[in-house]
Amino acid sequence: DAGVIQSPRHEVTEMGQEVTLRCKPISGHDYLFWYRQTMMRGLELLIYFNNNVPIDDSGMPEDRFSAKMPNASFSTLKIQPSEPRDSAVYFCASSLARQGPGELFFGEGSRLTVL
Amino acid sequence: QKEVEQNSGPLSVPEGAIASLNCTYSDRVSQSFFWYRQYSGKSPELIMSIYSNGDKEDGRFTAQLNKASQYVSLLIRDSQPSDSATYLCAVNIVHQFYFGTGTSLTVIP
Repeated sequence: DAGVIQSPRHEVTEMGQEVTLRCKPISGHDYLFWYRQTMMRGLELLIYFNNNVPIDDSGMPEDRFSAKMPNASFSTLKIQPSEPRDSAVYFCASSLARQGPGELFFGEGSRLTVL
Repeated sequence: QKEVEQNSGPLSVPEGAIASLNCTYSDRVSQSFFWYRQYSGKSPELIMSIYSNGDKEDGRFTAQLNKASQYVSLLIRDSQPSDSATYLCAVNIVHQFYFGTGTSLTVIP
């Protein structure tokens, strides 16, 4: 069974450019999470979806960040325009929680560098 | 505010010793608790989950939970160099997972 799949694995871009990160959750999972990890702040929850619906986006740092989940097998996190302080590793994770909290499975991450 | 606190370390133990990792959390409605291991440059992977007070053992790993004290710990017995990694404590509150900043563990051969 394939795990959570993220792309691209690495992205280097210049300040002001648009960045789109992609995620395919584990088939059948009903929750999808986007996290950002930096040395200073650790893993920060940006947004999460339940059955493709955004539930809590209070962790999204600014209006420059947006996320969508058009169907159960695909989600995107977009940064427009990007800034150097957005440089981090962005993780997508999914879980199945039919009767309570489930375990969280992470993708390999997308390492973003904004110059 | 939902906070998960860990000692960032680094924690160094000799091979074969017991490594003890600690975590406290601030939100009393926290429902379940997890320990993730993250190797450098890799994604976090789940190693233990615990839902009720007491101890839970899985091989060389033991998770301990004390909800009254809002405290969860991870013991690693017979530590191996391959256990060298960052260990993340995670708390689940109504389907949201909150993470500590992690404790870096080095097992010295």
